[in-house]
Amino acid sequence: DAGVTQSPTHLIKTRGQQVTLRCSPKSGHDTVSWYQQALGQGPQFIFQYYEEEERQRGNFPDRFSGHQFPNYSSELNVNALLLGDSALYLCASSRGGNTIYFGEGSWLTVV
Amino acid sequence: QQQVKQSPQSLIVQKGGISIINCAYENTAFDYFPWYQQFPGKGPALLIAIRPDVSEKKEGRFTISFNKSAKQFSLHIMDSQPGDSATYFCAASINPGSARQLTFGSGTQLTVLP
Repeated sequence: DAGVTQSPTHLIKTRGQQVTLRCSPKSGHDTVSWYQQALGQGPQFIFQYYEEEERQRGNFPDRFSGHQFPNYSSELNVNALLLGDSALYLCASSRGGNTIYFGEGSWLTVV
Repeated sequence: QQQVKQSPQSLIVQKGGISIINCAYENTAFDYFPWYQQFPGKGPALLIAIRPDVSEKKEGRFTISFNKSAKQFSLHIMDSQPGDSATYFCAASINPGSARQLTFGSGTQLTVLP
């Protein structure tokens, strides 16, 4: 049973560019959340998707947007990248508000 | 009110010793308290979790102690091993419907010396 899978694992972008990160939830899970983890800090909640709609959102600007597809997979898009967006982006999946599982993350470096 | 405060920031323990990490919260609406273990370059992995209707939960060498009146909870790692060296995060969440959003502590870097 595959867990939460994310791609790409590492990427480097230039300030001002846009990036798309992808996530496939654990089998049977219908809820996908995205978290940002800066170096040396705990993950911070960005937003959550359920039934293809954004259900909750953390304290992140509109430059951060997402999408959930009918197969429950999800994308995180970040526009107008800033140096401060450099972080590990984690996807988490769950079903019915139960145990939350995280993927390995996508390391984004903005130069 | 959404914060979860975690201490210590770093912890060094001898092999076979007990590692204790503490967390405190303010929001009494939190109803789920998981602990995650994270190795360098990896995503967080769920270790153990507790709900506020119990005071203690044990799984193998890992135990969560929960003090609802003090709004504190802690992770105890018994017989600590070098393989336990990792960063540990406590978290808390509310479950409005099915939308569980985790609020994490700042993490504790545990080093277990051989």
